[in-house]
Amino acid sequence: GNSVTQMEGPVTLSEEAFLTINCTYTATGYPSLFWYVQYPGEGLQLLLKATKADDKGSNKGFEATYRKETTSFHLEKGSVQVSDSAVYFCARRGNQGGKLIFGQGTELSVKP
Amino acid sequence: EPEVTQTPSHQVTQMGQEVILRCVPISNHLYFYWYRQILGQKVEFLVSFYNNEISEKSEIFDDQFSVERPDGSNFTLKIRSTKLEDSAMYFCASSDGGERGTEAFFGQGTRLTVV
Repeated sequence: GNSVTQMEGPVTLSEEAFLTINCTYTATGYPSLFWYVQYPGEGLQLLLKATKADDKGSNKGFEATYRKETTSFHLEKGSVQVSDSAVYFCARRGNQGGKLIFGQGTELSVKP
Repeated sequence: EPEVTQTPSHQVTQMGQEVILRCVPISNHLYFYWYRQILGQKVEFLVSFYNNEISEKSEIFDDQFSVERPDGSNFTLKIRSTKLEDSAMYFCASSDGGERGTEAFFGQGTRLTVV
């Protein structure tokens, strides 16, 4: 099938902790991959993306590497802040056209 | 910074009523989308729209749903006869291309509650 699977939340961390949110996908071919973030009360914002295998997307201290061998796109950040508290969505481009296929979202809560 | 705007932010409607959710995409974008997110579930694709016609739709997007670009700026989603299970957050998105890496910009969503 064509799907995106993320680790279950909520994830609760202390400030400055290391973050990993796992994401794996199934697809035919090598679709573009994305991480979107949804802060409380707001819409979805693109956090980072990678369009081909071995690409690394990065933004605001977050990184994710497109791993075709493991069909994964795990999100990492070395030191989280309280302001990173949000829901994070992994997504892949559909096989045709521009639609996005989302994972179920992972809620991150960072405590001071 | 240009943004996608959606109105209203929250709509409550009675079962069986028609609702129209409104979106103003970013002005130079050509591709428009609707997604929905039922509370606690994943964001699901509904429909994409390009060149004044539907380019792709999901199985969720049945005959009760329709989309329209009535003028040069608005993009609407109509639900003809709402059901309880239509209660969800509806997101509009737009992009300037359908290609691999093109970013889709999302609105803040309309929370639809069917009672």
